[in-house]
Amino acid sequence: EVHLMESGGGLVEPGGSLRLSCAASGFTFSVYTMNWVRQAPGKGLEWVSSIGSSGSFIYYVESVKGRFTISRDNAKNSLYLQMNSLRDEDTAVYYCARDYHYVPDYWGQGTLVTVSS
Amino acid sequence: QSALTQPASVSGSPGQSITISCTGTSSDVGAYDYVSWYQQYPGKAPKLMIFDVTNRPSGVSTRFSGSKSGNTASLTISGLQGEDEADYFCCSFTTSSTRVFGGGTKVSVL
Repeated sequence: EVHLMESGGGLVEPGGSLRLSCAASGFTFSVYTMNWVRQAPGKGLEWVSSIGSSGSFIYYVESVKGRFTISRDNAKNSLYLQMNSLRDEDTAVYYCARDYHYVPDYWGQGTLVTVSS
Repeated sequence: QSALTQPASVSGSPGQSITISCTGTSSDVGAYDYVSWYQQYPGKAPKLMIFDVTNRPSGVSTRFSGSKSGNTASLTISGLQGEDEADYFCCSFTTSSTRVFGGGTKVSVL
């Protein structure tokens, strides 16, 4: 059974940093592209970033370019999102999602990031 | 990359059929058949309901179906049931190799 579990969320001040992690199990992590998707409180889903199976082919939504860095460790079956220079508008639940042929198919339960002073 | 356009809300009576539209551009919905639909209950993670425009994952009810014409994709729920009351989001792969979601549609069962 596919299982994704995010961690690392919390309260951070504007301008601060946070590193999210996503632990994967139940599938061969190293052959799948992975995504981060976020959802601000009461709002819709927003795709944030994706990373190819080998760690190449990295893409970001325009609003996080230069501030967020996606990475993965296939030996540890883990996905990461380093978030720097955080802004109020980055407040959201962050989901990691497996990608199956350009479609996010399985999702974790999410981790809440709150940016506030 | 602008979000795909969905109606904010759609409602129907039990047993009826409803259709949710998802309008994009020739750079996303119109470019590929990589359109997917998700169901989300409050406080829960999204669940994949339709992928590649028309395909249902194993375990998803046959009451859910998808289609696409040009830059607009659609999700139809037939035989509407109370458990279908949820938020629904479309998603498309783009020509920039990114993904873009719709703003979401709240489905209400009257």
